[in-house]
Amino acid sequence: GDSVTQMEGPVTLSEEAFLTINCTYTATGYPSLFWYVQYPGEGLQLLLKATKADDKGSNKGFEATYRKETTSFHLEKGSVQVSDSAVYFCALSLSNTGNQFYFGTGTSLTVIP
Amino acid sequence: GAVVSQHPSRVICKSGTSVKIECRSLDFQATTMFWYRQFPKQSLMLMATSNEGSKATYEQGVEKDKFLINHASLTLSTLTVTSAHPEDSSFYICSARDPQRASYNEQFFGPGTRLTVL
Repeated sequence: GDSVTQMEGPVTLSEEAFLTINCTYTATGYPSLFWYVQYPGEGLQLLLKATKADDKGSNKGFEATYRKETTSFHLEKGSVQVSDSAVYFCALSLSNTGNQFYFGTGTSLTVIP
Repeated sequence: GAVVSQHPSRVICKSGTSVKIECRSLDFQATTMFWYRQFPKQSLMLMATSNEGSKATYEQGVEKDKFLINHASLTLSTLTVTSAHPEDSSFYICSARDPQRASYNEQFFGPGTRLTVL
């Protein structure tokens, strides 16, 4: 079935460190891929997205490239800040399932000064 | 654009009472809305898909008589937790699709409602 596997957390990094959160997917069709961020006590905010293979989504210094050959959509940021501390969710959506979202388990990131 | 609101943001109720949560698309018409439930430190679990003017489609294991969903207009879906019990305490999040952006398979999420049942 369709699913998303996300790197286990929690992740703790020092400010200005490099961040990678791995995400791989299984899908029967051609999914759109997303990264959402959830700050404490809040809902989900779209961080970035990619709708087809080789697309690169980017926002606020975060990047992720849709890799069809490895079925991956890893999230990266070159220099994290304390304000990036949050939970990050990888997700996919397929049009043939009524655009239902499949979420990964989430990765908690804490950035320490 | 594509803003989704939820009301209330937090609610505390006594066991046995019913609670209604509203989800509104503020600047677009949402033919489809989704309701999710999130347990502490866990991912989102899809509860049901709400289509305007028709009955909601519930995911396996979700009690439709306990979680009543109504999508009476293109901008409003409501989730009513009936006869709430402490185990219903959770974070409830709704999302909506904008048909104008359907090609991107995107959903827009509300800020969530924290329900605490005493």
